[in-house]
Amino acid sequence: GAVVSQHPSWVICKSGTSVKIECRSLDFQATTMFWYRQFPKQSLMLMATSNEGSKATYEQGVEKDKFLINHASLTLSTLTVTSAHPEDSSFYICSANNRGRVNEQFFGPGTRLTVL
Amino acid sequence: GESVGLHLPTLSVQEGDNSIINCAYSNSASDYFIWYKQESGKGPQFIIDIRSNMDKRQGQRVTVLLNKTVKHLSLQIAATQPGDSAVYFCAENEKLTFGTGTRLTIIP
Repeated sequence: GAVVSQHPSWVICKSGTSVKIECRSLDFQATTMFWYRQFPKQSLMLMATSNEGSKATYEQGVEKDKFLINHASLTLSTLTVTSAHPEDSSFYICSANNRGRVNEQFFGPGTRLTVL
Repeated sequence: GESVGLHLPTLSVQEGDNSIINCAYSNSASDYFIWYKQESGKGPQFIIDIRSNMDKRQGQRVTVLLNKTVKHLSLQIAATQPGDSAVYFCAENEKLTFGTGTRLTIIP
């Protein structure tokens, strides 16, 4: 149980285009979903916290107009990287809190974004 | 600001030996800690957690030790196997703050 999926697993796009990444909790309802970014050989950096039906809370230094987060249901959150540039190339990982087990986060497999 | 960091960036251990990965944290108010394992190109995988009212917790081949006095956390992996090779992160919940990570390499 407690499986989180991400789609796509990898994406290559041209500079200036927008890319949408989906995060789904497959067998549980997630009260909260988190989005992280991880550059090579670095740690995970929290970008934003997303609660179903409300606006996401962004970490300092993360542009909310560039990284659009939508959390329309208890099992789906999306991250859209708008007007992507090469410096946005990174590994994007989501995680979700199980509604019944608030303190435990379950991570998705990540999405590798490469912007040319 | 508050931070969670690791002492050693890399660690190589002979297969079958025990390994210890360390983590220092600075937020004395933290009351819940988690160790994650991340294999290359994958998301973090939960290993074990511990609450601040405990100083030791054991799982299958893993033990986490918490020393609140010096704000130090460690992960012990017994009888290491090749599949243990990965990057290990400690993190504080509820708003996870990840440390730098330690790359553990198991030498066959």
